[in-house]
Amino acid sequence: QVTLKESGPALVKPTQTLTLTCTFSGFSLSTSGMRVTWIRQPPGKALEWLARIDWGDDKFYSTSLKTRLTISKDTSKNQVVLIMTNMEPVDTATYYCARMNAGGTHMDVWGEGTTVTVSS
Amino acid sequence: QSALTQPPSASGSPGQSVTISCTGTYNDIGYYNYVSWYQQHPGKAPKLMIYESSQRPSGVPDRFSGSKSGNTASLTVSGLQAEDEADYYCFSYAGSNTYVFGTGTKVTVL
Repeated sequence: QVTLKESGPALVKPTQTLTLTCTFSGFSLSTSGMRVTWIRQPPGKALEWLARIDWGDDKFYSTSLKTRLTISKDTSKNQVVLIMTNMEPVDTATYYCARMNAGGTHMDVWGEGTTVTVSS
Repeated sequence: QSALTQPPSASGSPGQSVTISCTGTYNDIGYYNYVSWYQQHPGKAPKLMIYESSQRPSGVPDRFSGSKSGNTASLTVSGLQAEDEADYYCFSYAGSNTYVFGTGTKVTVL
């Protein structure tokens, strides 16, 4: 059974850096074809794709946020980390990690999400 | 990358059908057959309902179907049931390993 779970701070101050961790089980990111992605959703708004990391450590980012995002993986811990710098109130959202299929075309299993509020 | 356009809302009575459109451009939906649809109940994570425009994952009722024509993809829910009331989002590959979501549609079962 594949599961993913996000963790991180519930509250960050403006200008701070956010670090989120996705801990997963049921698959290995060292296996060819495995990919993990991050998505966020501001309250009452639509989903937004953020970043993706692949089994070979290839990394891809949203064009609009690429200067603020860093994605990495720790295969031994079955974890993927997303770092977002210079947080602003508009970054308040629920952040989800999800596994992508081998073709990198859709998310087949999602975590439950973690809510992050940016406020002083 | 601009969000794909979906109608804000759609509705139908139990047993009826509802179709949600998702309009993109030639650079995303029009070029790639990689549209997926997600159902999201309030306070819950999204769930995959359709992938590669028309494929249904195991466990998803066959009341859910997808199609694509040109720059527009569609999700149809036939035989509406109360549990189908949710938000629905389309998602497409947009080239160069980037992706775009739709604006979301709230489906109400009357």
